[in-house]
Amino acid sequence: QQQVKQSPQSLIVQKGGISIINCAYENTAFDYFPWYQQFPGKGPALLIAIRPDVSEKKEGRFTISFNKSAKQFSLHIMDSQPGDSATYFCAANSGGGADGLTFGKGTHLIIQP
Amino acid sequence: IAGITQAPTSQILAAGRRMTLRCTQDMRHNAMYWYRQDLGLGLRLIHYSNTAGTTGKGEVPDGYSVSRANTDDFPLTLASAVPSQTSVYFCASSVAPPPNTGELFFGEGSRLTVL
Repeated sequence: QQQVKQSPQSLIVQKGGISIINCAYENTAFDYFPWYQQFPGKGPALLIAIRPDVSEKKEGRFTISFNKSAKQFSLHIMDSQPGDSATYFCAANSGGGADGLTFGKGTHLIIQP
Repeated sequence: IAGITQAPTSQILAAGRRMTLRCTQDMRHNAMYWYRQDLGLGLRLIHYSNTAGTTGKGEVPDGYSVSRANTDDFPLTLASAVPSQTSVYFCASSVAPPPNTGELFFGEGSRLTVL
C-alpha cells in the first residue's frame, strides 16, 4: 500500500524561528509532492508543491527540499509567524496511481509569540 | 464564490441510521474525492470519481457508497452508520483525474458524530 510517513506529529516553534517538517516515502513511482495547510474548522489548502526533477522550491518563507535518493522531502518555514500555526500535511501522487493523493498523518504546528 | 460546498456542516446521528453527505462543486472539475480526517490518522481516501459516471474505492471504502450522476455532485452515503464512522468528512475536486491529479480543492468539511 502506498504510504507517506510524516514527522513530527506536533511542533512548537518560537516566533521568528525555522519550522521543519519531514516526510519519507517508499514508492519510487511518486512524482508529485505537495504540502497542504489546514486551519481549524477549514479544509486543507495547497501551500506549495514540488516535482522530483528539482531539489528545492521556494515560495516566500516556505521552501520544499527534496532528496530523491533518500526518498525524503521536507517543508521549511522561515521566520515563522503566529499566523503559520496550523496543521500541515505532506502528500504524494503516483504517476501510475488511480486514486489521487496519499497524505501523511499531519503535523500540528504552533508558533509561540 | 466558486468552490466546493458540503452539507450538512455537522450532524449527530444514531447508529443504524442512513445518512447522505452532500458535495457540490462549481468549478467543472473532472475528478472528485471523499476523505475522512481522524486525529492521528490524517486524511484517508474513502472513494473517488475520475469523471461523471465512474467511481472507485479508496483506502477505507467499507460502509460507504458514492454516486456521480453528473459533473457537479458527488454524494457520500452511509447505509447504516456505526460509531467508528464518527469523523470529519472532506469532499475535494481536481481539474485532472488521477494519475495527473495536481492540486486538490477541498470543501470545509462535514463533522459527523454517530452515537
